[in-house]
Amino acid sequence: QVHLVQSGAEVKKPGASVKVSCKASGHIFSNYGIAWVRQAPGQGLEWMGWISSYTGGTNSAQKLQGRLIMTTDTSTDTAYMELRSLRSADTAVYFCARKVGGAIDYYFDLWGQGTLVTVSS
Amino acid sequence: QSVLTQPPSVSAAPGQKVTISCSGSSSNIGNNYVSWYQQVPGTAPKLLIYDTYKRPSGIPDRFSGSKSGTSATLGVTGLQTGDEADYYCATWDSSLSAGVFGGGTKLTVL
Repeated sequence: QVHLVQSGAEVKKPGASVKVSCKASGHIFSNYGIAWVRQAPGQGLEWMGWISSYTGGTNSAQKLQGRLIMTTDTSTDTAYMELRSLRSADTAVYFCARKVGGAIDYYFDLWGQGTLVTVSS
Repeated sequence: QSVLTQPPSVSAAPGQKVTISCSGSSSNIGNNYVSWYQQVPGTAPKLLIYDTYKRPSGIPDRFSGSKSGTSATLGVTGLQTGDEADYYCATWDSSLSAGVFGGGTKLTVL
């Protein structure tokens, strides 16, 4: 079976960084991209960005540029999302999702279980 | 404020039909494919529709997608209590060079 399994919940102080992992199994990791989507408490889904597991190329939301770092480790079929300079507004559940398709004709067909990141002093 | 506009909520009785709209512009829905996701609160989203009208394996044909101009629509027929969830549309925005989601619609089956 195909799965994306994310790392556990995190509590961070404002100004700190968090790194969330997303391990893939059951499919050829390099054939797909990995997207990151977050959901603040009681709010909707927010597209953060994605990374090509094949090339390592990334595309991220303008509001997060400079703070968001997405990487992959093809030796372990794991994607990572690091968010720096955390603020309270970054408190959210962070999802990784398998991206199918090209730059504009894409969709997310497999999702991780989500990782709660709480930013609090 | 989401780039894609969805009604906050819709409701209908079991067995009835409901539609959820997703309104955008020429830089997003008007020229790109749309996908739809179902999210039961506390769980991860699930892909319902991709490439505007296609259904993944395992999604019943009670769910359908369509598009006209700069608006997309998700249709659900034969409503069941298990369909109660939040529904999101998504696409690419060529002006923003970013993916975008609608604000989400809560479906209540009365």
